[in-house]
Amino acid sequence: GESVGLHLPTLSVQEGDNSIINCAYSNSASDYFIWYKQESGKGPQFIIDIRSNMDKRQGQRVTVLLNKTVKHLSLQIAATQPGDSAVYFCAETSPPIQGAQKLVFGQGTRLTINP
Amino acid sequence: EAGVTQSPTHLIKTRGQQATLRCSPISGHTSVYWYQQALGLGLQFLLWYDEGEERNRGNFPPRFSGRQFPNYSSELNVNALELEDSALYLCASSFFRTVMNTEAFFGQGTRLTVV
Repeated sequence: GESVGLHLPTLSVQEGDNSIINCAYSNSASDYFIWYKQESGKGPQFIIDIRSNMDKRQGQRVTVLLNKTVKHLSLQIAATQPGDSAVYFCAETSPPIQGAQKLVFGQGTRLTINP
Repeated sequence: EAGVTQSPTHLIKTRGQQATLRCSPISGHTSVYWYQQALGLGLQFLLWYDEGEERNRGNFPPRFSGRQFPNYSSELNVNALELEDSALYLCASSFFRTVMNTEAFFGQGTRLTVV
């Protein structure tokens, strides 16, 4: 079945440290992955994406790693700041079937930055 | 440029009533997605509309329905409300047919409370 799960529901890190948020997916046909950040009271915001033909992609202070062998995705945030406190969701999608495509989200990890 | 807008922001209904939630996509986007986010859970896919037609739906009962208008705005209707329907309902929009290569942009959500 389709499911995208996260290893840890909560993560606390010290300000300035690096954080790693993990995500496992089960659909081997998934070929596009997105990380979203959701702050309290707001809708999810796009952070970074990666296609299945890549194993690493870097953005500003964020890096996404994809390991298709074990169906694992991670989001690394460098030098965390208080503004990074939020719930982070991974999402995946697979090639359209009869034009149908949807994002499948994981449960989310709440990241808390300690001063 | 305006983002995805949803209305109302908060909605309180009693059990058995009907709720109507509205979503206006980003200008130029033709696909609208609806997600349910219950407290403590991830985003569950509800419905996907594109070019006025329902393209896909998640594992929700038929009392969850909707439509997309010619201007690509969308309505989500929930009939015979139950207490467990209380959740944040998020709408996202993207370009035609696929979220691949194009992040889905989310609105701020409608908080539905059923009492």
